[in-house]
Amino acid sequence: GNSVTQMEGPVTLSEEAFLTINCTYTATGYPSLFWYVQYPGEGLQLLLKATKADDKGSNKGFEATYRKETTSFHLEKGSVQVSDSAVYFCALSDQTGANNLFFGTGTRLTVIP
Amino acid sequence: GAGVSQSPRYKVAKRGQDVALRCDPISGHVSLFWYQQALGQGPEFLTYFQNEAQLDKSGLPSDRFFAERPEGSVSTLKIQRTQQEDSAVYLCASSRHTRTRTDTQYFGPGTRLTVL
Repeated sequence: GNSVTQMEGPVTLSEEAFLTINCTYTATGYPSLFWYVQYPGEGLQLLLKATKADDKGSNKGFEATYRKETTSFHLEKGSVQVSDSAVYFCALSDQTGANNLFFGTGTRLTVIP
Repeated sequence: GAGVSQSPRYKVAKRGQDVALRCDPISGHVSLFWYQQALGQGPEFLTYFQNEAQLDKSGLPSDRFFAERPEGSVSTLKIQRTQQEDSAVYLCASSRHTRTRTDTQYFGPGTRLTVL
């Protein structure tokens, strides 16, 4: 079946620190992979995505590379800001044509000045 | 506002009551999804509509859950005889096309349901 395992939080970093949030997945075939972000009081927003192996998704300084050999899609940012404080969800969509999203449990990031 | 909206934002129900949760998708979006997010968990798929047709309801946890989208736009998720385990945030998402692997889903802010 399909599942996503992501690094448990919460994660607290100082401003300008390097961020990594680990995400691994289990899926049949070749799913598409996503990172969604949920800022306080707001709905889920797509942060970035990758649709095939070795693709790199990037947005707002965040990056993640679709690694088929390690079934991973780790989220990274070189220098976090206070405004990056949010909950981050890794997700996959299956390839059955359903496009249903399977989410990890989320990682809460707090960036302190 | 061009985003997905949901109402009410918060709902408190006594056990056994029926509730109805509304979703207004982005205008013109063909696909509409409902998800359930329990506290501290990621969202879990409930059901999918393509226009007015409910093509997938494999995630609905029981026959107390019912969803409709009669005119292919606004959708309502109804929960009958609510139980405490129904307490969660209910998320609605829409996407432009029929289900494809890479079509982006746009999420609403959710309705937080608390069953006492």
